[in-house]
Amino acid sequence: GIQVEQSPPDLILQEGANSTLRCNFSDSVNNLQWFHQNPWGQLINLFYIPSGTKQNGRLSATTVATERYSLLYISSSQTTDSGVYFCAVEQVFGNEKLTFGTGTRLTIIP
Amino acid sequence: ETGVTQTPRHLVMGMTNKKSLKCEQHLGHNAMYWYKQSAKKPLELMFVYSLEERVENNSVPSRFSPECPNSSHLFLHLHTLQPEDSALYLCASSQTREHTQYFGPGTRLTVL
Repeated sequence: GIQVEQSPPDLILQEGANSTLRCNFSDSVNNLQWFHQNPWGQLINLFYIPSGTKQNGRLSATTVATERYSLLYISSSQTTDSGVYFCAVEQVFGNEKLTFGTGTRLTIIP
Repeated sequence: ETGVTQTPRHLVMGMTNKKSLKCEQHLGHNAMYWYKQSAKKPLELMFVYSLEERVENNSVPSRFSPECPNSSHLFLHLHTLQPEDSALYLCASSQTREHTQYFGPGTRLTVL
């Protein structure tokens, strides 16, 4: 099956800093989503981005499908951004199943 | 609020108990999913229902039994669980299997 790797595994930043989270995947995809899991365990969908660039407030994401990676940018971090960020992909001809990476744990310090 | 609710939010059960997890979506979606999130592991897809029919079962032990009585409700019936089944169980829904999935808050299950 498709492999999904996220980096870095852990990231600790001061409030106000910017960050870039990376997701590499091993095969062609027709679906890629970024999720934020808050400290209470809830998964929030951030972006549906199989290709191209999208922005939503302080967050933006870019997927370069031909090179099999996606980046999530967080600018002017706030403590509420803390949590685990997951990338999930659906492989082309992959039985329409989302495969999740192991996540990046982001901690924003006041 | 994502429009997907799960109850209970926390559950502690013994290995001989029988319990059920409930998921409800108010989004008019046609596909629903159960995921398991264990410590230090990626989320694992357990079951998928599309238009109330089970379309995927990822080699899940029979002590987990899903039920989808209609497109808005999904249950996960639990019996004779093991301590290693302790995890966060997440429900999700999507308009169709090709669309974005929206997750509920999860049920944190502890098996003693």
